[in-house]
Amino acid sequence: AQSVTQLGSHVSVSEGALVLLRCNYSSSVPPYLFWYVQYPNQGLQLLLKYTSAATLVKGINGFEAEFKKSETSFHLTKPSAHMSDAAEYFCAFLQGAQKLVFGQGTRLTINP
Amino acid sequence: SAVISQKPSRDICQRGTSLTIQCQVDSQVTMMFWYRQQPGQSLTLIATANQGSEATYESGFVIDKFPISRPNLTFSTLTVSNMSPEDSSIYLCSVEILGGPVGTEAFFGQGTRLTVV
Repeated sequence: AQSVTQLGSHVSVSEGALVLLRCNYSSSVPPYLFWYVQYPNQGLQLLLKYTSAATLVKGINGFEAEFKKSETSFHLTKPSAHMSDAAEYFCAFLQGAQKLVFGQGTRLTINP
Repeated sequence: SAVISQKPSRDICQRGTSLTIQCQVDSQVTMMFWYRQQPGQSLTLIATANQGSEATYESGFVIDKFPISRPNLTFSTLTVSNMSPEDSSIYLCSVEILGGPVGTEAFFGQGTRLTVV
């Protein structure tokens, strides 16, 4: 079955450190992958999207993700974490034309 | 882009009662989506609501439990019927807008946090 798996339900980094949130997809997943962020008590906001145009995708708030077919991965990174990055992050793929299927989510905590 | 307003933002309800959640979009959209986010878990699609037709429910969700209305292109409601504590979740409305800087993009309401006691 098609799916995305987020490794690590909780990631904690220091302010200014590299952020790495892992997402692996099943090999049959179509080439539309997304990262969403959910701040406390808010809905989801799109960070970035892979549509097979370029393997390195730059998103908002300094985040980027690289699509690696050989590793079936789409990990999210940010060079320097900020306190405002503390949130829940979801990897997702598009199933069919319009159905989004989400990973389990990773809660990112930033330590001062 | 799209601005989505959900009401109520949160509620505490007695078991056995029903709650209707409203979703208003600031532009006309063909499809609206309802998701459930159980505590500490990811989002699961409940159903897709098209204007003028029956909603399409995902496996594990039925119309009797989650009736949906879609009277026009900017509005939808989701009712959680005969509630039990297991229905305690965040319910989110979503729409997809074509075009924009990232092509098709999904926009989400802020969610309705439901607690059933």
